[in-house]
Amino acid sequence: SQTIHQWPATLVQPVGSPLSLECTVEGTSNPNLYWYRQAAGRGLQLLFYSVGIGQISSEVPQNLSASRPQDRQFILSSKKLLLSDSGFYLCAWSVHPSAGYTFGSGTRLTVV
Amino acid sequence: AQTVTQSQPEMSVQEAETVTLSCTYDTSESDYYLFWYKQPPSRQMILVIRQEAYKQQNATENRFSVNFQKAAKSFSLKISDSQLGDAAMYFCAFPGPVNQFYFGTGTSLTVIP
Repeated sequence: SQTIHQWPATLVQPVGSPLSLECTVEGTSNPNLYWYRQAAGRGLQLLFYSVGIGQISSEVPQNLSASRPQDRQFILSSKKLLLSDSGFYLCAWSVHPSAGYTFGSGTRLTVV
Repeated sequence: AQTVTQSQPEMSVQEAETVTLSCTYDTSESDYYLFWYKQPPSRQMILVIRQEAYKQQNATENRFSVNFQKAAKSFSLKISDSQLGDAAMYFCAFPGPVNQFYFGTGTSLTVIP
């Protein structure tokens, strides 16, 4: 079966520290992968998407970067976190527009 | 550019009653899909229902149905016999050209016992 794993579930980091959030998919190959951020009580903002290994598209210029070192692995990173990076981060995958997205369980990031 | 608009930030419904959540979108595509997602307090995103634009028949999934008006670019979600477990944020979503989803700002649904 197809599953998506996202970790950690919760993270508290000081301002200026680095960040690495990881997402892995099982049971499918060559998925499209996505990172979204959701501020408290707000909608979902697309940050990055990837249609293949090493291919990253950024929707919003910011303090974050993404990488896809393997077909089913998607990593969200930052060299120096800002207070404004706090939020709920969701990873998702899709193989066809008709199937919609399957989301990970999310990471709640608090920058202090 | 594709846009998705949900004009109702909050809605409430009495348990067992029916509620309709609104969504409008803008696209130049002729064939596409539309989705409603539910986000309960756990914040896990759950697919509720999807509609194929080339199908005139409105999609139905148990107590959930849509009213799809392609010409008006409207895609509303109807929840019948509302239950306490339906309380959540609901997002309308529309896939872009690289299947990147664009989400509306969400509607927070409260179910009153």
